[in-house]
Amino acid sequence: EDQVTQSPEALRLQEGESSSLNCSYTVSGLRGLFWYRQDPGKGPEFLFTLYSAGEEKEKERLKATLTKKESFLHITAPKPEDSATYLCAVQGVKVGANNLFFGTGTRLTVIP
Amino acid sequence: DGGITQSPKYLFRKEGQNVTLSCEQNLNHDAMYWYRQDPGQGLRLIYYSQIVNDFQKGDIAEGYSVSREKKESFPLTVTSAQKNPTAFYLCASKRDRDNYGYTFGSGTRLTVV
Repeated sequence: EDQVTQSPEALRLQEGESSSLNCSYTVSGLRGLFWYRQDPGKGPEFLFTLYSAGEEKEKERLKATLTKKESFLHITAPKPEDSATYLCAVQGVKVGANNLFFGTGTRLTVIP
Repeated sequence: DGGITQSPKYLFRKEGQNVTLSCEQNLNHDAMYWYRQDPGQGLRLIYYSQIVNDFQKGDIAEGYSVSREKKESFPLTVTSAQKNPTAFYLCASKRDRDNYGYTFGSGTRLTVV
């Protein structure tokens, strides 16, 4: 069964303290792995799509990497405005068309 | 600006009442989706539609209904058969055969009173 597990559940960082969020997945053939940012009371905002092991994507202080079993979202020198919940989702070849399996997210708090 | 508009932002439902959540997009996207988000759980798919006048059940369709009469619109009705409707509901869309990810609306928070 396709499955996505995110860790840690919550993370508190001091401003400037770099860290990584983990997304472990089990999927029968990966079509794509997606990262989203979600602010409280709002819809998720698309960040990255990764398609194959070894691929990396960057956007400002965020960098997403992908292996055959997991993805990492590295955050370098975070700022308070990076505080949000980060969601990971995978799309496998066996699932229904255009369906994604979402993890429960990592709630990131960056303290000034 | 193109995007997805969900309304209302907050909705209160009495026991035994049906309520309809609106979702409109002006992105010219083919596919539209409804997700439910509960604390501590990942987003769960309720219904999706890839073309007008066609839609498919997701993982938790019981107690919900949808229609897709126009490409731009995909309303969700939460019926009285849904016993635990209190949740945050998210509508999303994407171009068909496009792996740039979904575009989400800002959500509707439904509360049973």
